[in-house]
Amino acid sequence: NAGVMQNPRHLVRRRGQEARLRCSPMKGHSHVYWYRQLPEEGLKFMVYLQKENIIDESGMPKERFSAEFPKEGPSILRIQQVVRGDSAAYFCASSPSNGRDDTQYFGPGTRLTVL
Amino acid sequence: SQQGEEDPQALSIQEGENATMNCSYKTSINNLQWYRQNSGRGLVHLILIRSNEREKHSGRLRVTLDTSKKSSSLLITASRAADTASYFCATQGGSEKLVFGKGTKLTVNP
Repeated sequence: NAGVMQNPRHLVRRRGQEARLRCSPMKGHSHVYWYRQLPEEGLKFMVYLQKENIIDESGMPKERFSAEFPKEGPSILRIQQVVRGDSAAYFCASSPSNGRDDTQYFGPGTRLTVL
Repeated sequence: SQQGEEDPQALSIQEGENATMNCSYKTSINNLQWYRQNSGRGLVHLILIRSNEREKHSGRLRVTLDTSKKSSSLLITASRAADTASYFCATQGGSEKLVFGKGTKLTVNP
């Protein structure tokens, strides 16, 4: 059973470009979470999605960031017009159910560098 | 807002010694989880302890939870060089999101 897959593992963008991060949850998991980690910091929640629904986006910046989890295919975290402050590691996690009392399994992360 | 706060921020011990890391949190929780992160890698789930549990074991790991003090501890016994990593506590309250602390960086010297 493959774990949570994220790609790319490393992404370099220039200021103003778009970044698209992909996450494929574990088989059988229909709940996806995105977290961001700044250097030397813990992870901060961004958004929680189920198939075709955003359940909680309380941690997402209001502008430039969006997330989706379509019926088919991976979850996508999209950052438009990236700025240097977006440089961070972005982790995706998945769980089989609503996750309120359930383990979330993390992917290896995408490390975004904005030049 | 940051919920869990681990201490110490950094811990250096010799192989074979025990390592204890603490975590404090502010609001009521459903459960508390500990994760390990090797440098530049993803997170590995270690153990989940529910709010109605006081202690849990998994191999060389022992976790305690004191909800009256809003604190938890992670004990790694007979540490090995391979235990070198950052350790994070994360809490879950009334929603699905995990709220992480800043972590304890553990170094186990051979």
